[in-house]
Amino acid sequence: DSGVTQTPKHLITATGQRVTLRCSPRSGDLSVYWYQQSLDQGLQFLIQYYNGEERAKGNILERFSAQQFPDLHSELNLSSLELGDSALYFCASSVTTSGSPYEQYFGPGTRLTVT
Amino acid sequence: AQKITQTQPGMFVQEKEAVTLDCTYDTSDPSYGLFWYKQPSSGEMIFLIYQGSYDQQNATEGRYSLNFQKARKSANLVISASQLGDSAMYFCAMREGREGTDKLIFGTGTRLQVFP
Repeated sequence: DSGVTQTPKHLITATGQRVTLRCSPRSGDLSVYWYQQSLDQGLQFLIQYYNGEERAKGNILERFSAQQFPDLHSELNLSSLELGDSALYFCASSVTTSGSPYEQYFGPGTRLTVT
Repeated sequence: AQKITQTQPGMFVQEKEAVTLDCTYDTSDPSYGLFWYKQPSSGEMIFLIYQGSYDQQNATEGRYSLNFQKARKSANLVISASQLGDSAMYFCAMREGREGTDKLIFGTGTRLQVFP
């Protein structure tokens, strides 16, 4: 158990819908990262938050957004869902930011299926 | 651009034998970190080992060791005394430390199968 929790574990929804994925980082970790794992794109970085502020953006679609709350949990919002958004979405957390070699611990993931 | 390459889509190893999973990387940043993660069929990503670009010695964690050859830009994972439970996907990743982010760039993975 990495200490990172993600809910829900599975999500099945229809095209055009909106969903929210939730992540609680390990106790004490200030950084939260979101990754998407799909068959065609592999594992891709989406976005990073540090202590409530957006720190970096990767290949995140405009239909997707995220935030980190004062208690450090994070939510990833996916809207106007398309079939191609079906993937495993991971949240990871680490202690600090650039320049520090802290490993990222991953949550169990949320498997999103868009039908 | 930073890139991670894993050229072995699949590997087989017999139980109790050692196996090496290859990883090469490309970066112009003198400061970087290299990671290996294991993803079993259940889907979770399990952190295995980390190597910093300035570390003088190769990292080791139990049965896992990282063969870091900086000049060749390779960071191969060595698993000694393989166990059936080692069967999984293995991903090499690099920490991109520019512009205030620690995002990870992943390779395409190697599927390891351990047979009795």
